[in-house]
Amino acid sequence: DSGVTQTPKHLITATGQRVTLRCSPRSGDLSVYWYQQSLDQGLQFLIQYYNGEERAKGNILERFSAQQFPDLHSELNLSSLELGDSALYFCASSVVLGAGRMNTEAFFGQGTRLTVV
Amino acid sequence: QKEVEQDPGPLSVPEGAIVSLNCTYSNSAFQYFMWYRQYSRKGPELLMYTYSSGNKEDGRFTAQVDKSSKYISLFIRDSQPSDSATYLCAMSVGASGGSYIPTFGRGTSLIVHP
Repeated sequence: DSGVTQTPKHLITATGQRVTLRCSPRSGDLSVYWYQQSLDQGLQFLIQYYNGEERAKGNILERFSAQQFPDLHSELNLSSLELGDSALYFCASSVVLGAGRMNTEAFFGQGTRLTVV
Repeated sequence: QKEVEQDPGPLSVPEGAIVSLNCTYSNSAFQYFMWYRQYSRKGPELLMYTYSSGNKEDGRFTAQVDKSSKYISLFIRDSQPSDSATYLCAMSVGASGGSYIPTFGRGTSLIVHP
């Protein structure tokens, strides 16, 4: 068990709908990352938050958004869903140490499997 | 060309074999190199982490980085059926502010048969 919790585990929804995926990072981890994993694209970085603020953006569609709350849990919102959004969505967290020390180990949750029909 | 290239396999080996998994990359700024193992329907799990070039050993696993060739490898000795999983390489440049973004390969599916 990595200590990163994602809910729900499975989600089936129709095209055009909106869903929210939730992630609780490991205790003490300030940084949260969201990744999308599909068969043809592999693990793609979407967005990173650090202590409530957006830190980096990857290949995240405009229909997708995320936020990190004061208790450090994060939510990924996916709207106007399309069939191609069906994928595994992973959250990962890591400790960010002080200046000059970078911890590069990211710990992943079990993922949310999204199926758009 | 993707930044990180990894043969998806599958790679099928008999139990006890030495397994070699590899990735190549194009970004010479990468400094941190990681290997993750992902079982079916599970999240990736960090196996090994190395910084810069050289070898690192942990039990049956050895990670090797050759920055001059932009090539990294993971060796598994005495492979077991329980090693059957997808192995993903990941690498990052590190960034200011103490954060980093790992870039992943697509993963190699390994099957170890008894």
